[in-house]
Amino acid sequence: AQKITQTQPGMFVQEKEAVTLDCTYDTSDPSYGLFWYKQPSSGEMIFLIYQGSYDQQNATEGRYSLNFQKARKSANLVISASQLGDSAMYFCAMREVNTDKLIFGTGTRLQVFP
Amino acid sequence: DAGVIQSPRHEVTEMGQEVTLRCKPISGHNSLFWYRQTMMRGLELLIYFNNNVPIDDSGMPEDRFSAKMPNASFSTLKIQPSEPRDSAVYFCASSLRTVEGEQYFGPGTRLTVT
Repeated sequence: AQKITQTQPGMFVQEKEAVTLDCTYDTSDPSYGLFWYKQPSSGEMIFLIYQGSYDQQNATEGRYSLNFQKARKSANLVISASQLGDSAMYFCAMREVNTDKLIFGTGTRLQVFP
Repeated sequence: DAGVIQSPRHEVTEMGQEVTLRCKPISGHNSLFWYRQTMMRGLELLIYFNNNVPIDDSGMPEDRFSAKMPNASFSTLKIQPSEPRDSAVYFCASSLRTVEGEQYFGPGTRLTVT
């Protein structure tokens, strides 16, 4: 069965520094999608970035990039130049192409300090 | 676009009462998802629809839960009778069934059953 693992319950980073949030996944399907979502304290779930299993390049969206290492089954989120507003829970998720279901990890709480 | 709309945003009810949560997906999206989020269990997919048809309801906890999607712009999640353990944040999300198919979440309904 597919599974998403986020081993960092909490992370701290100083403003303007880069931070990496870890995500590993397990699936037997060769075709899948990986997502990162942000959940600030206000509660909404915000889509950040997507990586397809067949994509040759790592996905980037502004200050967010996804470090995709297929052989290691990892899809780490890198946030560059952290801002105070980046403080939130971050969830990694996986979707298998033959279904529309997203399976979420347990999340990592990121705190950015001045 | 207004995004996914959910109502009510907060609901407090007594055990045994019927609760109905409502969702309006993003116009043009053809998949709709209901999730539940709790501290203990994280984010769980309850049910999802594609083109108004329920595809997978394996996450629905028990017969007290039911969901409908009478048309492309409206869905309901009903709990009858409600129990204190149903207290959670319920999210609705929608997506367009493409290769990426990222899901866009509504603001959630915080349900408290006393």
